[in-house]
Amino acid sequence: DVKVTQSSRYLVKRTGEKVFLECVQDMDHENMFWYRQDPGLGLRLIYFSYDVKMKEKGDIPEGYSVSREKKERFSLILESASTNQTSMYLCASSLGPGHSNQPQHFGDGTRLSIL
Amino acid sequence: GESVGLHLPTLSVQEGDNSIINCAYSNSASDYFIWYKQESGKGPQFIIDIRSNMDKRQGQRVTVLLNKTVKHLSLQIAATQPGDSAVYFCAESPDSGNTPLVFGKGTRLSVIA
Repeated sequence: DVKVTQSSRYLVKRTGEKVFLECVQDMDHENMFWYRQDPGLGLRLIYFSYDVKMKEKGDIPEGYSVSREKKERFSLILESASTNQTSMYLCASSLGPGHSNQPQHFGDGTRLSIL
Repeated sequence: GESVGLHLPTLSVQEGDNSIINCAYSNSASDYFIWYKQESGKGPQFIIDIRSNMDKRQGQRVTVLLNKTVKHLSLQIAATQPGDSAVYFCAESPDSGNTPLVFGKGTRLSVIA
């Protein structure tokens, strides 16, 4: 089974802090994704990556950046945390551009609170 | 966790009955569809998928139906159990999965024991 692991289940940070959310997958997937999930808004794509050192903006990239130095690890960075970034953050992975019709597999999420 | 279910359409079903969760998708070019289940405090979990060259696909206690004419997807759960209580999302892929999935807002299924 695919295992997507997010380093923290709950995180509390202060406004203005630089925040790192880490995600690791163990199935050699090429694609990795970061979403945030808010009540009434569903899943919104922040950034995604199709390969090491590659990144693509999703629907709501403002205030975020990402890092993909190794294939198995995809980090989401909040450059200067703000209260409107309080949310549930979900990481996902999937096989890759050479494999069509494959689902994304999700981690259990990080609930981030910015005070 | 629990806040995922706020503001969502809710379907309440008696234990043992069949459940039908519906989803309208937007892109007529989408050719791959997935249903996810999200339990409280967990990430979305893959349930079943279907390609656009099929109308129906069955899994264990679940069936997905695809009507491309009206861009409608449904998930049927047979003999619904308390453990089926969760938020269910559909997702569509515009190009066989090589671009990110587009997710629906979800439906909360509540099973009455």
